Amino acid sequence: GAGVSQSPSNKVTEKGKDVELRCDPISGHTALYWYRQSLGQGLEFLIYFQGNSAPDKSGLPSDRFSAERTGGSVSTLTIQRTQQEDSAVYLCASLPGQGYLNEQFFGPGTRLTVL
Amino acid sequence: QKEVEQNSGPLSVPEGAIASLNCTYSDRVSQSFFWYRQYSGKSPELIMSIYSNGDKEDGRFTAQLNKASQYVSLLIRDSQPSDSATYLCAVNTANSGYALNFGKGTSLLVTP
Repeated sequence: GAGVSQSPSNKVTEKGKDVELRCDPISGHTALYWYRQSLGQGLEFLIYFQGNSAPDKSGLPSDRFSAERTGGSVSTLTIQRTQQEDSAVYLCASLPGQGYLNEQFFGPGTRLTVL
Repeated sequence: QKEVEQNSGPLSVPEGAIASLNCTYSDRVSQSFFWYRQYSGKSPELIMSIYSNGDKEDGRFTAQLNKASQYVSLLIRDSQPSDSATYLCAVNTANSGYALNFGKGTSLLVTP
């Protein structure tokens, strides 16, 4: 079946602009995670959604970052007033539910470049 | 944040040899352990998961977990040039819905 999809695949923006990144999870999956992968920093957790519950935002690096998930499905990660240090690959993963036995499978990612 | 440590490498092994990749973690309440393979420019691909002490084998891959030593490893037997990639170790706890905490990865090069 279809996996997690993300769009755009690449985004180049100028410093100070806002960007929106989209994640389409696997149909029926209630859990959704955003991560980012920066050079030299590895893969880091950003935010977690489970169903209609309030998201866990503990990984967001600053208040310029926000995310929403509409109807428990599609999620949008928004970065306001982008900075060069925001340049990274942003990855999304979805799961049928939460729990430590669940294996996370990633979408193809969005490569963000801030000039 | 609790740490997941990996040797960055590169680890170079000849084709047909066993590649041994190691990972240590600091959070004793870590519950699940994963190995991902990542080719350049691609997203991470799950290759192994392990949840209890001991060995778990899947084809040419064996994951080993020792919770007392807070150590997890991945062995790749009969290494192939196509195994050349970065291998990411990830662990989770109940925090943040079992979000994954990743090491920075070990680069593996299998030479023909």
